[in-house]
Amino acid sequence: DGGITQSPKYLFRKEGQNVTLSCEQNLNHDAMYWYRQDPGQGLRLIYYSQIVNDFQKGDIAEGYSVSREKKESFPLTVTSAQKNPTAFYLCATKKQGDTGELFFGEGSRLTVL
Amino acid sequence: AQSVTQPDIHITVSEGASLELRCNYSYGATPYLFWYVQSPGQGLQLLLKYFSGDTLVQGIKGFEAEFKRSQSSFNLRKPSVHWSDAAEYFCAVGGATNKLIFGTGTLLAVQP
Repeated sequence: DGGITQSPKYLFRKEGQNVTLSCEQNLNHDAMYWYRQDPGQGLRLIYYSQIVNDFQKGDIAEGYSVSREKKESFPLTVTSAQKNPTAFYLCATKKQGDTGELFFGEGSRLTVL
Repeated sequence: AQSVTQPDIHITVSEGASLELRCNYSYGATPYLFWYVQSPGQGLQLLLKYFSGDTLVQGIKGFEAEFKRSQSSFNLRKPSVHWSDAAEYFCAVGGATNKLIFGTGTLLAVQP
């Protein structure tokens, strides 16, 4: 089935540890995005990538890093520099040249203890 | 500045009653407008979208929305709510850029 797979769905980490969230897609979409969701704050853009080997910072990129070595994959690393990493993280994709509709994965919930 | 405002944080309706969720936007160019729905712990699913043409758009699950340029609004409506409609609803605006701007969401509860 075509879709977006995020893993793991739940992740617990100790403060000060880096963690990497996986996002894989087989929709053949060019653009990929990472959003952070906190209660009452909607979705905030962390990073996005429109093509392989290129990515741009979103509105809240501090403390996060990404890579885009393959079209299908866009992993997000939450570093120890992120001051409040506990959140729900959503990966999304978009077909290039399309009219802006995003397709979302099921999300990953990160809890830092 | 580009922004989306959903003034209602939480709404409760009775099953079978009508529903209207409000969305106001600020955008410098012709907007592309979206409504998404999210069940707890899940990703977002597109309900409907507006790009151009008829200002009343139909979506999935019996939802519709009307684009009113003069009011900078894109309110979501459903004539008769079902218990399964309980979820969080997000309005979003975008355009020629590749970024969507999301509102803070409206949490819908449905009373039996």
